[in-house]
Amino acid sequence: SQTIHQWPATLVQPVGSPLSLECTVEGTSNPNLYWYRQAAGRGLQLLFYSVGIGQISSEVPQNLSASRPQDRQFILSSKKLLLSDSGFYLCAWSVESRQPQHFGDGTRLSIL
Amino acid sequence: AQTVTQSQPEMSVQEAETVTLSCTYDTSESNYYLFWYKQPPSRQMILVIRQEAYKQQNATENRFSVNFQKAAKSFSLKISDSQLGDTAMYFCAFIQKGGGADGLTFGKGTHLIIQP
Repeated sequence: SQTIHQWPATLVQPVGSPLSLECTVEGTSNPNLYWYRQAAGRGLQLLFYSVGIGQISSEVPQNLSASRPQDRQFILSSKKLLLSDSGFYLCAWSVESRQPQHFGDGTRLSIL
Repeated sequence: AQTVTQSQPEMSVQEAETVTLSCTYDTSESNYYLFWYKQPPSRQMILVIRQEAYKQQNATENRFSVNFQKAAKSFSLKISDSQLGDTAMYFCAFIQKGGGADGLTFGKGTHLIIQP
């Protein structure tokens, strides 16, 4: 069966520090991968999605970037974190486009 | 752009009762998918049920069923025989089947509380 792993579960970072959140999927090949952010009391907002290695699409202008160095690995990064980057970040995968997405456990990021 | 609206920020019912969560959406597309996700306090997003827009039959998964009204752009979730474990945030989500961004558009959620 397929599983998705996301880490760390929680992270506290100072403003201006770098960020790296990692997500890996097991049990499937060439999945579509997604990064979402959930602000407090809000639904999820799509940040990035990827349909293959090295292929990244960005949905909103922001301070973050994403990379997909391997088929089942998706990384969310920032060179300098802002206070507004605080939130709950969720990684998700699907077998192909427009299909149900399955989510990881999320990372709670707090910026001080 | 597509939008998803959940007009009930919070609902509370007694255990074993039936509850209906409402969702409306706005799109110019004719072919799309709709989903309900559940997010318990653990924060994990769990797929509850999905509906394909071209299917007229309402989807059902055990105690969960939907009332899909395509003309009205309405997609409500009915939970029968509610259980304490159903307490969670429930999000309605949409994805179009055609081109454009391959990501879910979510509503702001409904916090459902099941009282013992």
